[in-house]
Amino acid sequence: DAGVTQSPTHLIKTRGQQVTLRCSPISGHKSVSWYQQVLGQGPQFIFQYYEKEERGRGNFPDRFSARQFPNYSSELNVNALLLGDSALYLCASSLSPGNLYEQYFGPGTRLTVT
Amino acid sequence: KQEVTQIPAALSVPEGENLVLNCSFTDSAIYNLQWFRQDPGKGLTSLLLIQSSQREQTSGRLNASLDKSSGRSTLYIAASQPGDSATYLCASLLGGNTPLVFGKGTRLSVIA
Repeated sequence: DAGVTQSPTHLIKTRGQQVTLRCSPISGHKSVSWYQQVLGQGPQFIFQYYEKEERGRGNFPDRFSARQFPNYSSELNVNALLLGDSALYLCASSLSPGNLYEQYFGPGTRLTVT
Repeated sequence: KQEVTQIPAALSVPEGENLVLNCSFTDSAIYNLQWFRQDPGKGLTSLLLIQSSQREQTSGRLNASLDKSSGRSTLYIAASQPGDSATYLCASLLGGNTPLVFGKGTRLSVIA
């Protein structure tokens, strides 16, 4: 079975541009979460979606937005990119939100903002 | 606000040694704790998940324990191998719709 997939693998953007990152969860998983990992730090929570509805949002500016599609795949959008947005963006899927379900992470998208 | 701390930040051991990685958390009302492995520039691989009602979980050479009352978890790696070299992250979940809260990780190097 395929794991969580993310695209693209790497991305280079210029300050002020916009970027869209994509995530496909494990088949049967309905919850998707997004995390940002800056070099040398642990991942920080950005969003959680379940059944196409936002279930949680971390402490990130409104430049960050996301959505989930009927097939449970998800997109993360970041507008007006800043140098500080350079990071590894991780997507995680689980059967549903909540404490009992293990989260499985994708390989990540490496975003570099110049 | 949950805070997760991992000590040490980096660790270098000779091949074959048994080792312990530490994780502490401030809010003991966690629902589960998950240990992950991350290779450089890669995503996270789940190693072990411990539910709040459990004290430990084992997978091969890995054993993770959880002591909620003291706010601590440990990951024990037996007979370490160079292939174990990676960053190990622990993350706690408080429950409901709360997200995983991660520590900064311990970077492990196993020297052949």
